[in-house]
Amino acid sequence: DTAVSQTPKYLVTQMGNDKSIKCEQNLGHDTMYWYKQDSKKFLKIMFSYNNKELIINETVPNRFSPKSPDKAHLNLHINSLELGDSAVYFCASSQGLGGRSNQPQHFGDGTRLSIL
Amino acid sequence: GDSVTQMEGPVTLSEEAFLTINCTYTATGYPSLFWYVQYPGEGLQLLLKATKADDKGSNKGFEATYRKETTSFHLEKGSVQVSDSAVYFCALIDGSSNTGKLIFGQGTTLQVKP
Repeated sequence: DTAVSQTPKYLVTQMGNDKSIKCEQNLGHDTMYWYKQDSKKFLKIMFSYNNKELIINETVPNRFSPKSPDKAHLNLHINSLELGDSAVYFCASSQGLGGRSNQPQHFGDGTRLSIL
Repeated sequence: GDSVTQMEGPVTLSEEAFLTINCTYTATGYPSLFWYVQYPGEGLQLLLKATKADDKGSNKGFEATYRKETTSFHLEKGSVQVSDSAVYFCALIDGSSNTGKLIFGQGTTLQVKP
């Protein structure tokens, strides 16, 4: 009954490869997010989708391409992986987009990406 | 732009000690404020929130009060346990936001020793 699930949990790959991370939520939320957490634990939003529409794209290299086939899924594809892409990537979901009546974001357990 | 600043960690306390983790923010609007906790190897969990000035969020013995005059949202707990060892993140969403963009502080690692 995991609310926000990400796969894989660990991903070790070579520089230059292309990889995907999948995210699914069973909370019935309409908004999903991708965050990147660096080695110092700093968290920064990358993308958000509301009802499959891209809402936030935070100056992320275009090697990163999110895809939302439906409201319950938001996948992240990364081309030509670089050493600096090593991080933990978190998916999250919420109902609505924030503001005064915002609902909290629910996070997955993260995908630890290591580039060799 | 909006930002959140937390006290530097790590914070090391003995069990049953009093905890304060400072958080201050800069925002152009009237943000909602959050504390999230990240246990080792896990994702973030919402600990508590406050959506307007003078609101107090509380959960699991933790409390934080939204102070507009000092733009602060300090996290406190009267008696910490070893199981509270984790990374704590202060965060905000602009009250007028229509993007859901959460802005996080840099995180504060808490280690509680028995």
